[in-house]
Amino acid sequence: DAGVIQSPRHEVTEMGQEVTLRCKPISGHDYLFWYRQTMMRGLELLIYFNNNVPIDDSGMPEDRFSAKMPNASFSTLKIQPSEPRDSAVYFCASSLDLFNEKLFFGSGTQLSVL
Amino acid sequence: DQQVKQNSPSLSVQEGRISILNCDYTNSMFDYFLWYKKYPAEGPTFLISISSIKDKNEDGRFTVFLNKSAKHLSLHIVPSQPGDSAVYFCAAKGRQGNLIFGKGTKLSVKP
Repeated sequence: DAGVIQSPRHEVTEMGQEVTLRCKPISGHDYLFWYRQTMMRGLELLIYFNNNVPIDDSGMPEDRFSAKMPNASFSTLKIQPSEPRDSAVYFCASSLDLFNEKLFFGSGTQLSVL
Repeated sequence: DQQVKQNSPSLSVQEGRISILNCDYTNSMFDYFLWYKKYPAEGPTFLISISSIKDKNEDGRFTVFLNKSAKHLSLHIVPSQPGDSAVYFCAAKGRQGNLIFGKGTKLSVKP
């Protein structure tokens, strides 16, 4: 398996623009997570899905953030409009169970909002 | 407020010596703890874990110690190798089962 695949690897955009981050989880994994990494807060859980259904989005910072999982092999995280404080590394991860040591992360998307 | 705290942003150790990475937590209900390792431009990967019913778990050069009364755990790497240079995240299993991570500690092992 190719692992969790995220795109793009890097995104540079201007404040106010819409940003869409993409994720392909490992086939057969029922859970998909979106995390954000910053120096100040470390790895924060934004939202997670079970069988394509959003279960907990309490970590989504603002209404500007939205996430979808239209099918088992694809998820998006959208920021509209983007702000400089959204600059961070965004990780997607998937696992077989909600709690599983084997939480597989993608390589992340480095987002810079100017 | 951070429920999982890694108060040292960085640590530098000589090759062959012991590396000790520390982690504190605030919620006494946490019953499972993990360490993840992250290289630059890669996602974190699972390293080692410990259940709250234990106070030590060992896997090769890596040992995790848990002190429940102090709400403290530590990761020991002996001997340290240059390839161990990475960011190490401490994590706890939250009430819903999801992982709660700390800010990470960047370990540099000097040859």
